[in-house]
Parts: sequence; structure tokens; C-alpha cells
Amino acid sequence: GAGVSQSPRYKVAKRGQDVALRCDPISGHVSLFWYQQALGQGPEFLTYFQNEAQLDKSGLPSDRFFAERPEGSVSTLKIQRTQQEDSAVYLCASHGGLSSYNSPLHFGNGTRLTVT
Amino acid sequence: DQQVKQNSPSLSVQEGRISILNCDYTNSMFDYFLWYKKYPAEGPTFLISISSIKDKNEDGRFTVFLNKSAKHLSLHIVPSQPGDSAVYFCAAFDGNQFYFGTGTSLTVIP
Repeated sequence: GAGVSQSPRYKVAKRGQDVALRCDPISGHVSLFWYQQALGQGPEFLTYFQNEAQLDKSGLPSDRFFAERPEGSVSTLKIQRTQQEDSAVYLCASHGGLSSYNSPLHFGNGTRLTVT
Repeated sequence: DQQVKQNSPSLSVQEGRISILNCDYTNSMFDYFLWYKKYPAEGPTFLISISSIKDKNEDGRFTVFLNKSAKHLSLHIVPSQPGDSAVYFCAAFDGNQFYFGTGTSLTVIP
């Protein structure tokens, strides 16, 4: 596709529910990043994939957060037993990888998650 | 610990004047720096970047300056236009991850 696509754009979940957020990166981009952005803050790193391999998940705030990219393209960020502090915008970004070293991340429009 | 810092949360500039947005970083391993622009309800959009081997990169009304000794990055917009009103994030890349500042909200007054 032309850009990074994320769905849904908005998600309201009751505390304790599980949610799944989808990211469709730019075609051919090997690297995919997930970020969390709280109000008034910059994007905070959650996890990173190179193709289907999750190379870094050090930013995931708890074991309730899980990400996968089974075929090296579409990725899903899953949050189990959502809590109010999970309310944020979740941004996905893709990158061409080491072959495009000095090139920018391209972001989707994000999913705004509100936990009530 | 915040490795990329934008110390000014907001900036107001008159239309036609220069906007200068600043960014400081702490990690000397960063070798690629970027500026993103973000409108409400949209994801950040790439604006301009600079490699650590350069000290200036220009693209139309936008110029990024890099001072490696001071670990300081700035974005100049001249002339500023009302459509430039947005939140601007600086970012730095260490070969593995991108690190973002907290953003500066720019308002260009017509």
C-alpha cells in the first residue's frame, strides 16, 4: 500500500477486556515498530520487528502486552486485561531496514485506545 | 532517562517570520536525526533529516542544523505560514532504535 495503515482508528474498551490493534506496513518494509504516545508526550518505543523476528520488546510495559508479525508483514499488538493506564495512542511505523539505513520511519495514523 | 529533549513545549510566531525549534540529545552514538510534524488525530509525518556527517540540510522553507559538539539540533522554518501550526518532534537514530523528544507545539499567527 501507499502508506502505513492502522485499524481500528478508535477503540473503547472496558477495563479487563482484551484488545487487538492491527498494523499494515508499507509493502516491502522489513522493519516494523510499535510506539505508545500519551497525551503531551512523544512516541515511546514498545517493540520492534525485523521481518517476522521480534528483535526488541524491551519497551512493552507489562506481560499483558504482546505483539506478533507471523509472516513478516501485518503486525498485531494485543493488550490483555486492559487497564485505564493503557489509554493512549498506539502508533505503528515501518522502515526499509538496514538497506535503507539513513531513511525515515513512516507512521500510520495510530489507534486511540480509551479504557473506561 | 530521556535521551532526546525538547525543552520548549510551545512556540508562537508571526506569519512570515522565522520559527526556530530546538532539540538536545545525550547519546553520542546517534548518527541520524529527523524532524516530524504532527497534526491532531494524525500520525507523525516525516519532514526533514540530517546525517551526523553533515551540519546542515535544507529543503525549501525548512533547514535543519546539527551541532555535534553541543549535541544540539534545530529546525528553522522561514517564512512561517499558518499551515505550519502543528506539533514538531525531533528524533534520533542509533542504528537500532529511533528515540523521540516530547514535542514542541508551534502556532503561526496570521
